[in-house]
Amino acid sequence: QQQVKQSPQSLIVQKGGISIINCAYENTAFDYFPWYQQFPGKGPALLIAIRPDVSEKKEGRFTISFNKSAKQFSLHIMDSQPGDSATYFCAASNSGATNKLIFGTGTLLAVQP
Amino acid sequence: EAQVTQNPRYLITVTGKKLTVTCSQNMNHEYMSWYRQDPGLGLRQIYYSMNVEVTDKGDVPEGYKVSRKEKRNFPLILESPSPNQTSLYFCASTSLAGVVDTQYFGPGTRLTVL
Repeated sequence: QQQVKQSPQSLIVQKGGISIINCAYENTAFDYFPWYQQFPGKGPALLIAIRPDVSEKKEGRFTISFNKSAKQFSLHIMDSQPGDSATYFCAASNSGATNKLIFGTGTLLAVQP
Repeated sequence: EAQVTQNPRYLITVTGKKLTVTCSQNMNHEYMSWYRQDPGLGLRQIYYSMNVEVTDKGDVPEGYKVSRKEKRNFPLILESPSPNQTSLYFCASTSLAGVVDTQYFGPGTRLTVL
């Protein structure tokens, strides 16, 4: 119930391509779904987040697609750049409760020049 | 500048030697939390605090203690560290006012227990 399943574990994309990372959850009480970006030696930093009242949110080259009925959400990185190479974590929380973030296991993205 | 700081950033210690990892935030956030990050497991919450003197267990609290005597500080205490506590630790904070969203993470503390 508390798990967030993330795939793929690693991803190699050519510069200019689209990177897609998928997550699935079980707990229908989750109401906040952020994506975090983590560079080596740094803490996770919020990239983009969505709430279940919308099906898509776009910020620059980053888009979250959210499918409430399927309990799935995904991150799309358009026009991927070498500087996007990092580990990406999806997460979910019930913001009305303990605010605990349940993290996916992470996706290591490498964008080749 | 809004930030979460952790010290030390790197620590090598031996089994059974008590240690404390400090965490401090300058954003007047009510909520603070500790996570550990392990390969293939993502980040898992150890303890959290909703405010001063209010703390509770997360998913993996065994072997850890915390205290919240001041709003800005949330130290993580390992009374008797063991090798299975070798990990990368992150402190995070967020405001509970209004709509809860962004959690700000510190830079991490890499702990090795020999």
